[in-house]
Amino acid sequence: DAGVIQSPRHEVTEMGQEVTLRCKPISGHDYLFWYRQTMMRGLELLIYFNNNVPIDDSGMPEDRFSAKMPNASFSTLKIQPSEPRDSAVYFCASSSNRVTQYFGPGTRLTVL
Amino acid sequence: AQKVTQAQTEISVVEKEDVTLDCVYETRDTTYYLFWYKQPPSGELVFLIRRNSFDEQNEISGRYSWNFQKSTSSFNFTITASQVVDSAVYFCALRLVGAQKLVFGQGTRLTINP
Repeated sequence: DAGVIQSPRHEVTEMGQEVTLRCKPISGHDYLFWYRQTMMRGLELLIYFNNNVPIDDSGMPEDRFSAKMPNASFSTLKIQPSEPRDSAVYFCASSSNRVTQYFGPGTRLTVL
Repeated sequence: AQKVTQAQTEISVVEKEDVTLDCVYETRDTTYYLFWYKQPPSGELVFLIRRNSFDEQNEISGRYSWNFQKSTSSFNFTITASQVVDSAVYFCALRLVGAQKLVFGQGTRLTINP
């Protein structure tokens, strides 16, 4: 079975540009999570969805960040405009039983 | 608030040695889940194990074993006869029953030298 799929795996952009990260959860999973990993702050939950509806976005750092889930098999995390401090690894995870979250391979974002 | 502490930032051992990764957690809730994840050099996060707060039975899976002790709020992870492929960063995490947020420790970087 396919796991969580994320694209792109690596993204290098310049400050001020818009960045869109994509995620396809495991089929049948009804929860989707976006995390960010940095050396300073470790792994942080940004936002999560249940049945395509955003439930808790309290971890989203600021208004430059937005996330959508238009259907059960696709989600995006957008940063506009991007800043160098947004450089991090962004993980998408999904779960079906509300307990164990399975993570994608991550997107390594570098903002110059 | 919940907190997970992995006091060992880095551990380095020689192949075939046994190694234990420590995890101590804090929560006032009585029902919760504990997890271990592995992050190999390739970067992905791989789920290893989940334990429920009401089940203190230790678990063994091949060379891996987990020791859960509520009395000391610890959930330690032991690798027996370590191998180079075990080299990774290992994360311990906590989630309350009824909540979705995973609270991660800072991770332990384990290096197995040949």
